[in-house]
Amino acid sequence: EAQVTQNPRYLITVTGKKLTVTCSQNMNHEYMSWYRQDPGLGLRQIYYSMNVEVTDKGDVPEGYKVSRKEKRNFPLILESPSPNQTSLYFCASSLTALYNSPLHFGNGTRLTVT
Amino acid sequence: AQSVSQHNHHVILSEAASLELGCNYSYGGTVNLFWYVQYPGQHLQLLLKYFSGDPLVKGIKGFEAEFIKSKFSFNLRKPSVQWSDTAEYFCAVKSMTTDSWGKFQFGAGTQVVVTP
Repeated sequence: EAQVTQNPRYLITVTGKKLTVTCSQNMNHEYMSWYRQDPGLGLRQIYYSMNVEVTDKGDVPEGYKVSRKEKRNFPLILESPSPNQTSLYFCASSLTALYNSPLHFGNGTRLTVT
Repeated sequence: AQSVSQHNHHVILSEAASLELGCNYSYGGTVNLFWYVQYPGQHLQLLLKYFSGDPLVKGIKGFEAEFIKSKFSFNLRKPSVQWSDTAEYFCAVKSMTTDSWGKFQFGAGTQVVVTP
């Protein structure tokens, strides 16, 4: 089944403890991206990747890192999480960023930083 | 700054009523336009998309949207809603200009509640 898989679904952590949220897609998509969803603000793009080894900042990249060493994986790294990063995170992929390819979303990761 | 604006944050209507959700964007260049739906507790799913051609596009579940270039708008419509249409709806714009290729922006969302 074609899908975007995020792990974990739920994560509670403490301020400053490094964490990684994994994202994997099995559709051979070139484009992958991360979003955070906050009430009243919709989805805001954190980082995106047009292809392997190519990443760019979205609208809210501060406090996050990503890497794209292989096509299927696009992990989101929080080196020193803070409470303002408590949010619902979505990973998404699309065939390519060059045409009208829609995004396919993962099921989300609800992160709480205390 | 580039932005996507959805006119209503909350909409409550009865079954069989008509729905129209407004979306305006402020990009100057070529864009792709999307509407996504998020049912309670689920991830976003594509309703419909527009990239060129006929400005009236039809999507899944009886939804349609009209692109009006002169108004920078992409409004979503459904003639007769059902209780199962209760969800949050997001308008999204993908920039196709070379200086921001690949950037997606979403509106803040409209929570739609359909009462029986």
